[in-house]
Amino acid sequence: GQNIDQPTEMTATEGAIVQINCTYQTSGFNGLFWYQQHAGEAPTFLSYNVLDGLEEKGRFSSFLSRSKGYSYLLLKELQMKDSASYLCAVRRSGGYNKLIFGAGTRLAVHP
Amino acid sequence: EAGVTQFPSHSVIEKGQTVTLRCDPISGHDNLYWYRRVMGKEIKFLLHFVKESKQDESGMPNNRFLAERTGGTYSTLKVQPAELEDSGVYFCASSPRPGQGPTGELFFGEGSRLTVL
Repeated sequence: GQNIDQPTEMTATEGAIVQINCTYQTSGFNGLFWYQQHAGEAPTFLSYNVLDGLEEKGRFSSFLSRSKGYSYLLLKELQMKDSASYLCAVRRSGGYNKLIFGAGTRLAVHP
Repeated sequence: EAGVTQFPSHSVIEKGQTVTLRCDPISGHDNLYWYRRVMGKEIKFLLHFVKESKQDESGMPNNRFLAERTGGTYSTLKVQPAELEDSGVYFCASSPRPGQGPTGELFFGEGSRLTVL
């Protein structure tokens, strides 16, 4: 089976840095995705990791350790508009891009 | 380029009634997925089409749910008869063929919120 865990809620201050962790257990790993979802809107793709290490994309970075079944999403220079849910999702090998999602982390950014 | 569109955005029906949700994927995307999020839970996979064929329907809850993708373009998801526990947000997503695009990410629609009373 598969299991994906991430914190339910986090709060942070505008301008700060926040790290959202995700741990997973799955058979046949073929990549980990982070999505952002504002309330009532579509989840939108943020980042993708398939090899160990850090992927940086502007203010957002994502890290993966396959041996530990662990990833994090790092958001720098937080802005109010970053208040959203952040979804960790794992793709299994042979799954035709089928993603298994965690329950998401609701991030609230305060002034 | 138009994104994934879903209709209706919100539907309120009574238990026992029928509802049909529609998804128009991004043009040219062979892969189409249906997901569902019930209150407070994770987004769960329902099924996956490759063009008009069902590739994986392992997530469909029961035979009250019927998905179609005639012609390999838009898809419909029908719930008949609807039950209270079917309430949630139904997301559709699409992606191009494997090998197209650097990551193979899914592109999601805004979802259809279903409320069964």
